[in-house]
Amino acid sequence: AQSVSQHNHHVILSEAASLELGCNYSYGGTVNLFWYVQYPGQHLQLLLKYFSGDPLVKGIKGFEAEFIKSKFSFNLRKPSVQWSDTAEYFCAGNTGFQKLVFGTGTRLLVSP
Amino acid sequence: NAGVTQTPKFRVLKTGQSMTLLCAQDMNHEYMYWYRQDPGMGLRLIHYSVGEGTTAKGEVPDGYNVSRLKKQNFLLGLESAAPSQTSVYFCASRTGGDGTEAFFGQGTRLTVV
Repeated sequence: AQSVSQHNHHVILSEAASLELGCNYSYGGTVNLFWYVQYPGQHLQLLLKYFSGDPLVKGIKGFEAEFIKSKFSFNLRKPSVQWSDTAEYFCAGNTGFQKLVFGTGTRLLVSP
Repeated sequence: NAGVTQTPKFRVLKTGQSMTLLCAQDMNHEYMYWYRQDPGMGLRLIHYSVGEGTTAKGEVPDGYNVSRLKKQNFLLGLESAAPSQTSVYFCASRTGGDGTEAFFGQGTRLTVV
């Protein structure tokens, strides 16, 4: 069955530290991958997505992610986090363009 | 432009009661989804629909039913609520096809006592 896994459940960083959140998927064939962010008390918003082309994708607010097919990974990165990046981050994926499944999420706390 | 609207935003039910959550989207999207969000478990797909009149089961469909009679609406029903269904429910929609993102509603916080 298709699945997405996130291994970091909680991450605590100081402002200006670099961030990398892991995401692995188990699909075969063509895959679309997404990173969403959920700020406290809000709904999910798209950070970035990959569906073809350049495996390094850039999103909003300075986030980027790299699709590495050989490792089945789509890790999220940001070179320097801010306090306002405190949120929960979800990796998601779909194949066959129908079902969209999510990982369990990573709670990021950035201390000022 | 409302996007995805969920009704109601909050609800408290007694065990055994029934209710329907409404999701409405004004973006002419083909695909719609219902998820539940629980601490430490992320978003789990309950049911989804790839077009008017069609529905399919997701990862955790038991205890829920859905209907998509109109393209813009996707209803989630709980016939006999259980405390295990206490959760935050999110609806999402997307156009379908390659690489299209999902847009989410604000969520419905449901408590079953």
